[in-house]
This record gives sequence, C-alpha cells and structure tokens, in this order.
Amino acid sequence: AQKITQTQPGMFVQEKEAVTLDCTYDTSDQSYGLFWYKQPSSGEMIFLIYQGSYDEQNATEGRYSLNFQKARKSANLVISASQLGDSAMYFCAMREFMDTGRRALTFGSGTRLQVQP
Amino acid sequence: DADVTQTPRNRITKTGKRIMLECSQTKGHDRMYWYRQDPGLGLRLIYYSFDVKDINKGEISDGYSVSRQAQAKFSLSLESAIPNQTALYFCATSGPGPINYGYTFGSGTRLTVV
Repeated sequence: AQKITQTQPGMFVQEKEAVTLDCTYDTSDQSYGLFWYKQPSSGEMIFLIYQGSYDEQNATEGRYSLNFQKARKSANLVISASQLGDSAMYFCAMREFMDTGRRALTFGSGTRLQVQP
Repeated sequence: DADVTQTPRNRITKTGKRIMLECSQTKGHDRMYWYRQDPGLGLRLIYYSFDVKDINKGEISDGYSVSRQAQAKFSLSLESAIPNQTALYFCATSGPGPINYGYTFGSGTRLTVV
C-alpha cells in the first residue's frame, strides 16, 4: 500500500501567489517525521522543511510552511509568494521504521510545480 | 567539496554489463542509503546501511548489491544491467540522534542501460 500519497502530478501557480501541495501518509507508528524536498531541473534534492509527529505547532521555514493535520494524516506544503525559481518537482517523504527496525525515508511520487509570470 | 559525492554523474552501459556506482560522504555519519528515482514513482529505497557490518535490503533490492567499504563509502552494483534499471540513482546519508536529523543527498547518477 502506498505510504505517501501526492495526488497532484502537476500544479500551476501565478508568480507572487500562494500554493498548497498536498501530501497524505499512512503509518501505524506513533513517532515519525515528515519531510518536504525540492528537486529542480538540475536534479539535486534540496531539503525544505520538517515536521515531527509530536510537534504541536506547524513547521515554518521562510516562505515554506507545513500544514500538519495529524488526525487526517496530512502534511501539506504551503509556499507563499511564489517565485519563478520555485518551479521544480516537490517530494513529500516520511521517516518511518522499516521491517528491520531501522528508520529510512519513504517518498511520494512528487508534484511538479510550475510558476507562471 | 560536496558532503556526499557520487561517481559517475552520468553513465551509459550495455545490457548484461556489470556496473558499480560509488558514493562517499564527509559528514561523518554512520547511516547511508541508495535510492532509485523513476518518473512518476518518486524515490524508492534500494539498500541501506547503518554501519559497516549492518546492510539491509530496501523495497527494490532485486538485481542490485552493495558494499560498505568504510564508514564513508557505500557502493551500489548492478551485476547484470538491464534496460529497466535505467534511472536516476541517489546516495544519501543521515546522522543519529533526534528523528529530525537531516538527510543529505548526493547529486545523483544518471544511468542509462541500452
């Protein structure tokens, strides 16, 4: 079963507007972490923001904020005041226990965001 | 120098050939990972290692093997490459401690099997 679901393969947003990228997750762990990464066309993975399952406040990092709704198991990324340089692929990921008892990241399929001037 | 270095950056190889992708890190972390990225599928875990003697299979380990030569080095091998192993491969490392200890990714190796 898909652990991380990103239902928006592609999104468009006008420059300077805000955009929300959706992410839902599935886990039975009580302790887990949720990450968002940006992948520009050059291919590298850039860490944006982190939310711990026990964090009571939504995480924020500059123009990025994470709308964490634990009961609904959603961790949506909000980008405020979009810029042309925000055009990229965005991945939601969850750090969870593998069968070995070790933790690793599980990724969603990504959302390609295009910012239009 | 980058914290996580992957070599080669790009590689074209023929079906049936053995190929090794190399990864080294300067973060001093014990934990290293290999991921594969295919369009529309995100990144999928191939192998991960929490110590030189601790190597574990991930979601899609068939057709791959790994070697942890040292704390800083973690290599991925395709014993007999096939075209559906054409993908972008990432190595990553992470530290211990709190759950939010960051992951650092290499720049990726773009592999094409013809």
